[in-house]
Amino acid sequence: DTGVSQNPRHKITKRGQNVTFRCDPISEHNRLYWYRQTLGQGPEFLTYFQNEAQLEKSRLLSDRFSAERPKGSFSTLEIQRTEQGDSAMYLCASSLKRQRGGWETQYFGPGTRLLVL
Amino acid sequence: AQRVTQPEKLLSVFKGAPVELKCNYSYSGSPELFWYVQYSRQRLQLLLRHISRESIKGFTADLNKGETSFHLKKPFAQEEDSAMYYCALSGRLSWGKLQFGAGTQVVVTP
Repeated sequence: DTGVSQNPRHKITKRGQNVTFRCDPISEHNRLYWYRQTLGQGPEFLTYFQNEAQLEKSRLLSDRFSAERPKGSFSTLEIQRTEQGDSAMYLCASSLKRQRGGWETQYFGPGTRLLVL
Repeated sequence: AQRVTQPEKLLSVFKGAPVELKCNYSYSGSPELFWYVQYSRQRLQLLLRHISRESIKGFTADLNKGETSFHLKKPFAQEEDSAMYYCALSGRLSWGKLQFGAGTQVVVTP
């Protein structure tokens, strides 16, 4: 499967614990996005990378959240001191941003479902 | 402020009947509008975007800048159209970053 992959697919943790999610984008894609989706809502943008540079972060991304894409390939999203309100589906998407501009198609991964008890 | 509104959470239609999913947006400028679809147990995928002016799986969507709407239509619904549909917006200055509506669940019954 050459699509976007995310691990783990499910995570149950206790409040206060740290969790880390991984996203592997489509191999040639230079842009990587993180979204969060809660029940009954559409995905909400969290942050995105172009290669290894984190270009934008949403106000939704509190200090407890940190994302990295160290070599411009896979990315990790870490949540420290999890809270029950962090329970959600975390989606990753990747795209190929061409130099001449224009809009690119984002391809989504299957998501990581987090439950904080 | 940028916003995407999908007023219907659930739309139930009979096979062969027309289906229209409403999407209204607010954005200061000229946004790019998209429809994404998520079939049961599958990942979110792009259905169509307004700039392409294309028809995918029989669906079309017209951008109405006067009414700030981007409704999705299909003249004859099929059972395989049952899915969750999300309208999304991207601003030209935040190219790629998507803002989604809450989604509309479509159920097509035989």
